[in-house]
Amino acid sequence: AQSVTQLDSQVPVFEEAPVELRCNYSSSVSVYLFWYVQYPNQGLQLLLKYLSGSTLVKGINGFEAEFNKSQTSFHLRKPSVHISDTAEYFCATLSGGSNYKLTFGKGTLLTVNP
Amino acid sequence: NAGVTQTPKFQVLKTGQSMTLQCAQDMNHNSMYWYRQDPGMGLRLIYYSASEGTTDKGEVPNGYNVSRLNKREFSLRLESAAPSQTSVYFCASSGTADEQYFGPGTRLTVT
Repeated sequence: AQSVTQLDSQVPVFEEAPVELRCNYSSSVSVYLFWYVQYPNQGLQLLLKYLSGSTLVKGINGFEAEFNKSQTSFHLRKPSVHISDTAEYFCATLSGGSNYKLTFGKGTLLTVNP
Repeated sequence: NAGVTQTPKFQVLKTGQSMTLQCAQDMNHNSMYWYRQDPGMGLRLIYYSASEGTTDKGEVPNGYNVSRLNKREFSLRLESAAPSQTSVYFCASSGTADEQYFGPGTRLTVT
């Protein structure tokens, strides 16, 4: 079964600093990868996804991620964060099969300080 | 277009009580899911339904039952609540592999 590992449970940064949230996945023939964001007391929403094609994926709110097959990674980056980016970020992969089940990482809490 | 809605938003139960969490989607999606979210554990799949009339166990199904009432609605039932079921519960739906749409969640406390 597919799985993902988020390497940092918490990442504190200052406003306008760059940030990278790390995610590694278990290797498989075909890989679908996602980043979801959860703002405080809300549900999850899709930030970006990699299904195939270009390995650099751009998402909402200025975030991007790079699919790296050799390192089995899908790290999320933003060159300059805002206070409003404070949220929990989840990396996820499809579990396999045709039922579109997702397997989530444990999450990374990004805290942006003024 | 409300997306995915969940009721109730909050619930407190005593050990042994039962309750049903309701979920509905208006996007005509075939697949629906129930997750629980616990601190440091991410989201874990409880049950899912690939289409109307079918349901399957996920990673943590024990203590739960589900009903796919029709294409729109997917309910989660706790027959005899336990403190270990204190969690935030999310319903989601999807029509393709591209994206799941999540509801706002139900915060459940079992005392």
